[in-house]
Amino acid sequence: EPEVTQTPSHQVTQMGQEVILRCVPISNHLYFYWYRQILGQKVEFLVSFYNNEISEKSEIFDDQFSVERPDGSNFTLKIRSTKLEDSAMYFCASFGRGARETQYFGPGTRLLVL
Amino acid sequence: RKEVEQDPGPFNVPEGATVAFNCTYSNSASQSFFWYRQDCRKEPKLLMSVYSSGNEDGRFTAQLNRASQYISLLIRDSKLSDSATYLCVVTATGTASKLTFGTGTRLQVTL
Repeated sequence: EPEVTQTPSHQVTQMGQEVILRCVPISNHLYFYWYRQILGQKVEFLVSFYNNEISEKSEIFDDQFSVERPDGSNFTLKIRSTKLEDSAMYFCASFGRGARETQYFGPGTRLLVL
Repeated sequence: RKEVEQDPGPFNVPEGATVAFNCTYSNSASQSFFWYRQDCRKEPKLLMSVYSSGNEDGRFTAQLNRASQYISLLIRDSKLSDSATYLCVVTATGTASKLTFGTGTRLQVTL
């Protein structure tokens, strides 16, 4: 079964540093998403992306966050100046019409901000 | 009121037991409903979609009551491998729109 991949699996950074989380969605999918899950809490929506633009974003997704699809395969989430509270698991997901019409999640990037 | 509410558990059941989880959602306009499963420190994985007519997949049965804004999941003949957190998930405007997750219900199946 095709899958969403994410790199790195773990990232440790200092507060105030920029991080870029990378995702390769399933190849024929057209909708892409980022979610995050703070340890012990629920999965929260950050942003959705379709047709090379943001289609929806949550209040969490402030000016410190940006997304990009720099080429035909990668989908990135950039956090410009990380805060301690950005420490979380970040999941990329993609969606495409097919037998199972739902979003497929990547394995996540665990981000730790010190 | 939380958008999607679940009893966090944990539910501790012996192997072979039947266990039921419930979920309520606040947005009456919600259109699509799912149960996802999440193992510790892993990504959510779709367990099954939930339809108004109810649906079954092997040992798993899901029900949706739109009038009560209530979703259920029944697991029969529990296996050790069913131990996980079960996430109730809804979308407001269709399957391509953002997923709204409940906090999850933890299930521990024991020998």
